[in-house]
Amino acid sequence: GEQVEQLPSILRVQEGSSASINCSYEDSASNYFPWYKQEPGENPKLIIDIRSNMERKQIQELIVLLDKKAKRFSLHITDTQPGDSAMYFCAASAGGNNKLTFGQGTVLSVIP
Amino acid sequence: NTKITQSPRYLILGRANKSLECEQHLGHNAMYWYKQSAEKPPELMFLYNLKQLIRNETVPSRFIPECPDSSKLLLHISAVDPEDSAVYFCASSQGPQGGSGNTLYFGEGSRLIVV
Repeated sequence: GEQVEQLPSILRVQEGSSASINCSYEDSASNYFPWYKQEPGENPKLIIDIRSNMERKQIQELIVLLDKKAKRFSLHITDTQPGDSAMYFCAASAGGNNKLTFGQGTVLSVIP
Repeated sequence: NTKITQSPRYLILGRANKSLECEQHLGHNAMYWYKQSAEKPPELMFLYNLKQLIRNETVPSRFIPECPDSSKLLLHISAVDPEDSAVYFCASSQGPQGGSGNTLYFGEGSRLIVV
């Protein structure tokens, strides 16, 4: 089945700087890549996603990039704020197997 | 997200039997049970689509799912083990995950503590 690797596992950045999280996948049939943010004691919430017909998507301070050839995708948070501190999960989904495979997660801490 | 409700929210068990309940008010056809252990990603346990079980991951037999109708999902747990301590999330999507980009929405979770 699909395997998704996510790095780094821990990320500390200064408030106002950018944060980047990188994921790679194995199944070239994967065509949907969501990102979830999970705060302590809460459920995972979708923050942005990208489909395989796109290379870049931006929603406010969130940017996702997809490189299908390299089988990599990434999340970039510009102008980070303390409220961005949370666990972030990337995920990949391929047609036909009915399963969303998650990365291992990145704990982001934004230091005021 | 209050459109997927789970009960109970907290559960402390000592090898008793219990059922977790989930109801979604999003009109979705697919419903899931995920298990999330501390600092780990959610792990898929079961997937129902249109009330049919279409995905059953490697899960101990003491976990038995039930889908009485397309908006409700149950998880019956018998003789729990300490390794079962985790948060159990119900989730739903318009259709089953599989490249169609159906957004997965999670419920609030049920925290199970096995003593």
